Amino acid sequence: DAGVIQSPRHEVTEMGQEVTLRCKPISGHDYLFWYRQTMMRGLELLIYFNNNVPIDDSGMPEDRFSAKMPNASFSTLKIQPSEPRDSAVYFCASRSPGELNEQFFGPGTRLTVL
Amino acid sequence: LAKTTQPISMDSYEGQEVNITCSHNNIATNDYITWYQQFPSQGPRFIIQGYKTKVTNEVASLFIPADRKSSTLSLPRVSLSDTAVYYCLVGKTYGANNLFFGTGTRLTVIP
Repeated sequence: DAGVIQSPRHEVTEMGQEVTLRCKPISGHDYLFWYRQTMMRGLELLIYFNNNVPIDDSGMPEDRFSAKMPNASFSTLKIQPSEPRDSAVYFCASRSPGELNEQFFGPGTRLTVL
Repeated sequence: LAKTTQPISMDSYEGQEVNITCSHNNIATNDYITWYQQFPSQGPRFIIQGYKTKVTNEVASLFIPADRKSSTLSLPRVSLSDTAVYYCLVGKTYGANNLFFGTGTRLTVIP
């Protein structure tokens, strides 16, 4: 398996533009997580899905952020409109069913909003 | 979620054993302790998980005393490539409870 795949790896956009980040989890994993990492706030959980259903989105900063998981192999995180304070590295992670609480992280998308 | 406390940073010379301690005074009966490692420009990577006593794998050992209010990640004979941030998480293994990464411990290995 190729692991968790995220695209794009880098995104530079201007304030006010829509940004869409994409994630393909590991096949067979039933949990998918979106995280944001900044120097100031560390690694923060934004939202997670179980079997494609959003379970907890309490970490989503505001209504400008939305996430979808239309099927087991694809998820998106959208920011509309984007703001400079959204600049961060966004990670997607997936986890297999079972007792071991091991999340597999993707390489991340580095977002810069000018 | 049980809160965890770790040192912000540690330095070590190559070849030494490194022990990183995490405090989790409010750990619940069903909580497990999990450690992740994050290299610069990469996502975190699972290292080890345990419930009590000692767990060992090819990467590290995890020591958990009887009261489970703390745990120690032990890295044997570190090399420069072990320079990373190490996170201690406490929570249940089912569901998605093990999700608060905190600030972690930044380990710097010195030649």
